[in-house]
Parts: sequence; C-alpha cells; structure tokens
Amino acid sequence: AQKVTQAQTEISVVEKEDVTLDCVYETRDTTYYLFWYKQPPSGELVFLIRRNSFDEQNEISGRYSWNFQKSTSSFNFTITASQVVDSAVYFCALSGTPMEYGNKLVFGAGTILRVKS
Amino acid sequence: NAGVTQTPKFQVLKTGQSMTLQCAQDMNHEYMSWYRQDPGMGLRLIHYSVGAGITDQGEVPNGYNVSRSTTEDFPLRLLSAAPSQTSVYFCASSWTGFGSPLHFGNGTRLTVT
Repeated sequence: AQKVTQAQTEISVVEKEDVTLDCVYETRDTTYYLFWYKQPPSGELVFLIRRNSFDEQNEISGRYSWNFQKSTSSFNFTITASQVVDSAVYFCALSGTPMEYGNKLVFGAGTILRVKS
Repeated sequence: NAGVTQTPKFQVLKTGQSMTLQCAQDMNHEYMSWYRQDPGMGLRLIHYSVGAGITDQGEVPNGYNVSRSTTEDFPLRLLSAAPSQTSVYFCASSWTGFGSPLHFGNGTRLTVT
C-alpha cells in the first residue's frame, strides 16, 4: 500500500522566515514519482515539482528547494525568506502505480502554511 | 488553451437529488480522474479513466458514476446525493505516461443538505 504523511497540519511563520514542510512516504515500488502541489486561497491546485525515485539530487528553484532522501523516505520542501504570497495549503503526493492503472496519485493530508507580514 | 474546465463552481443539493459535474480538457490527455478534497484528508481518488471507453474505480467510488465517451469529457454523476458527499471535487488530466503531472480544474464546491 502507498501512503503519504504530512505530519504538520498547520505552520505559521513571519515573513522572511525560512520554513520546511515535511513529507514522508511509504511504497513498495522501486520506481515511483513524488510531487508537490500548492493550493492558494483561491482554491486551484498548482503543480510545483516532480521527482523520480532514481534522482536524489536536491532541487532549487528561486526561493523553493526540495530535499529527497530515499534512506528516510522523505521529500521535504523548504521555502526560503517566506512571503505572504506563499500562504497556501501544500500537498505532497506519490505515484507508484504501474502504467496499466493510469496515473494515480496518492496525496498527503496537506500542510496549511500561514505567512504573516 | 483552457486546460481543464469544471462546471459548475458551486452547487447545493438536497439529499436524494442527482446531478452531474462536468469536466472537459483540451490538452488531448488520455488520462482523466476525479478527486474529492475533504479537510484533513487530502485528495482522494474517486474514479479514473485511461482513455475513451475505459474507466475504473479509485479509492472512494461509492455513490458516484462516470463514463468516458470522448477524450475531452469525463463527467461525474452523483446518483442520490448524501450529506457525506459534501466536498470539493477536482477533475484532473494528464498524459498516460507514468509519473506525468496532473493538471487540475478549479474545483466544484458541493454542499448536500
């Protein structure tokens, strides 16, 4: 069975603080993909990043960075110098299903990030 | 390109009523799916389709029906609405390639009284 755990239900920070959102996953598949999505207050779901299980390189995109560690089954997301516009719900998701079943993603419960000015 | 379009944005139903949530995509994606979002539970897969004429159940299919007669459209039918179906519903599409990112519609907020 596949499972994604985002233990942090809600995080509040003050603008310019760094914040890390945790994501721990479970899967028996050796090939899988991990994703992060952002859901701002307007409600849409925005794709942020995809990482496959064979690529453990960390990724940085502007103020966003992602740390993938297979040894601890974690795919954590850090926002550096947070801004009010980063306030959103962030979802971590896992796809470990073979192609015959399509492209099913299993989502974590989400972490609400509130950035105060 | 419009991407994934869902209608309506909001809907209120009485218990026992039926309705169809519409979803259309213009990206020629073969894979389409419906998720529901509930507080503290993330998104859960209701039904999905890997192409026209092919559908299958996801994690929480009870009370919902789908069909896929064209590549573009993937409607979700509530057969007899129940208060437990109060939720936000998202339609998503992607290429069928394993690991393709899902493209989501803007969601439908459904309330069943």
